[in-house]
Amino acid sequence: EAGVAQSPRYKIIEKRQSVAFWCNPISGHATLYWYQQILGQGPKLLIQFQNNGVVDDSQLPKDRFSAERLKGVDSTLKIQPAKLEDSAVYLCASSLVPRRGRGETQYFGPGTRLLVL
Amino acid sequence: GDSVTQMEGPVTLSEEAFLTINCTYTATGYPSLFWYVQYPGEGLQLLLKATKADDKGSNKGFEATYRKETTSFHLEKGSVQVSDSAVYFCALPFYSGAGSYQLTFGKGTKLSVIP
Repeated sequence: EAGVAQSPRYKIIEKRQSVAFWCNPISGHATLYWYQQILGQGPKLLIQFQNNGVVDDSQLPKDRFSAERLKGVDSTLKIQPAKLEDSAVYLCASSLVPRRGRGETQYFGPGTRLLVL
Repeated sequence: GDSVTQMEGPVTLSEEAFLTINCTYTATGYPSLFWYVQYPGEGLQLLLKATKADDKGSNKGFEATYRKETTSFHLEKGSVQVSDSAVYFCALPFYSGAGSYQLTFGKGTKLSVIP
């Protein structure tokens, strides 16, 4: 079974430029997550989709970050304009719909390493 | 709110040493508990999980027991290898209040195993 795919794997941009990341989840997984992982820290959830609807985007900096999941499958995360503090690894994960009281195993892609200069 | 507290690293061990990484949790009810591993340059991978109290999750020689009385889910391995060098994250699902369950992660413990 194919895992979660992400691209690109690495990206270097200058501040104030824009960048986009792509994610293809595991087939059949209705729930998709985007995380930001700053060096030395655990992943921080940015946005959660269920099918093509947003479940939670409370931690997404909406003045510069946007995300969409068209047709409930692939997703893109965009940063415009980028700041130095956006340098991080951006992880995409997918899962079945989380069960009440239990949660579900999330499967992660390899991540995109972003460096903003 | 629901949270996990994980022992701080880094941890450096010699090959074949015994490993323990402590994780305690605060949660409403009895959620599943997870350990994820992140090898250098890669995303997170599920290492093991336990779905109810007294369950023991195991994989690749690692074990963790879901202990309700001590609210703990410590990760152990009897004999570590150089290939186990990675960052280990304890994780707990919680209700986000926005209509779904999410995972909260510990800060991670970096393990380095030297030959």
